[in-house]
Amino acid sequence: SQTIHQWPATLVQPVGSPLSLECTVEGTSNPNLYWYRQAAGRGLQLLFYSVGIGQISSEVPQNLSASRPQDRQFILSSKKLLLSDSGFYLCAWGGWTGSYGYTFGSGTRLTVV
Amino acid sequence: AQTVTQSQPEMSVQEAETVTLSCTYDTSENNYYLFWYKQPPSRQMILVIRQEAYKQQNATENRFSVNFQKAAKSFSLKISDSQLGDTAMYFCAFMKTGSGGSNYKLTFGKGTLLTVNP
Repeated sequence: SQTIHQWPATLVQPVGSPLSLECTVEGTSNPNLYWYRQAAGRGLQLLFYSVGIGQISSEVPQNLSASRPQDRQFILSSKKLLLSDSGFYLCAWGGWTGSYGYTFGSGTRLTVV
Repeated sequence: AQTVTQSQPEMSVQEAETVTLSCTYDTSENNYYLFWYKQPPSRQMILVIRQEAYKQQNATENRFSVNFQKAAKSFSLKISDSQLGDTAMYFCAFMKTGSGGSNYKLTFGKGTLLTVNP
């Protein structure tokens, strides 16, 4: 089965500082990977997804970027954080394992101050 | 584009009773999956149940069952014999499948916060 490792669990960063959140997946090859953000009191919004190394699709315009340097590694970055970047970020694997489904990481709570 | 609507921001139920969470969706697709995810205070996303749109039979998983009404585009979750551990945020989600690719993207509703009272 697939396992998603996501870190750090909690992060407090000042406005204007850079960001790097990392996600790795085990138990599958060539996975579809996703970054979702959950703002306070709201549902999950898809930010980026990747179907392979170097392939990134952005769902919403924003201050963030994503990269996939290796098959099982997905990174969410920002050069300069904004207050509005605060939220809960989830990495996920999605695909077919006898049925369609997702495996989520444990998430990163980002607070921009 | 698909949309998922959960019209109940919060609900509460007494322990051992039954509760139903509502979800409606809008799509022009024929091939899709629907999901209910649970997010407890730990914020880990946990799959509760999934439904394949081409299956008429409603999915069940122990105390959890769905009422899938494809024509009405409705997908409600029934929790029987509610337990304190069921207290969580519940999200309804839609995934387009089939040829042509959806890339397995999930579209989520805004969630329903369920509290089970002792």
